[in-house]
Amino acid sequence: QKEVEQNSGPLSVPEGAIASLNCTYSDRGSQSFFWYRQYSGKSPELIMFIYSNGDKEDGRFTAQLNKASQYVSLLIRDSQPSDSATYLCAVNPASGTYKYIFGTGTRLKVLA
Amino acid sequence: DTGVSQNPRHKITKRGQNVTFRCDPISEHNRLYWYRQTLGQGPEFLTYFQNEAQLEKSRLLSDRFSAERPKGSFSTLEIQRTEQGDSAMYLCASSPRGGLNNEQFFGPGTRLTVL
Repeated sequence: QKEVEQNSGPLSVPEGAIASLNCTYSDRGSQSFFWYRQYSGKSPELIMFIYSNGDKEDGRFTAQLNKASQYVSLLIRDSQPSDSATYLCAVNPASGTYKYIFGTGTRLKVLA
Repeated sequence: DTGVSQNPRHKITKRGQNVTFRCDPISEHNRLYWYRQTLGQGPEFLTYFQNEAQLEKSRLLSDRFSAERPKGSFSTLEIQRTEQGDSAMYLCASSPRGGLNNEQFFGPGTRLTVL
């Protein structure tokens, strides 16, 4: 089992719809969780982070964390063609390290 | 611009040559990280520094790889005797000191091609 798993996609949604991106992780002691957006040929750009169970909203983005189920998700409301990118889930594992473990990313395509 | 900077942005080298990359973190960020990313994969952790101390190295970091951060500011990553399998994007990130906040901000990356 991979440490951080994401469906590679592509996930295709029509413009204006809600895109739902999912991530599971194996280390139950993981502390913090991050979502990055990566356009082709570019470096990852931080979108959101979440530490506590529940929802965290920032503009059109909502991160959801369920530590009991070891599951974190990212919702993108009112999806735009400019949201088309690969979304990377990153997990900071159990305390004592500051490194991230990344998933392979989910490619999102927003269709105009 | 106060973001993370990396140089060079692209490097093409022949197998067996040595290469060195530089990373300048965001000012006052005390942690600096190196990752490697290949096509279709997420970034893989290589190593990180807190100030000038190298605190963790991945098993991916063979003895051909060495990283330094001599004054706790910029960092260099050197690859000796490059192999074709070293071709990848090498990403540097930095994060601020303190607390649970460990948001890492990435530089533009150095794309290495080994012929």
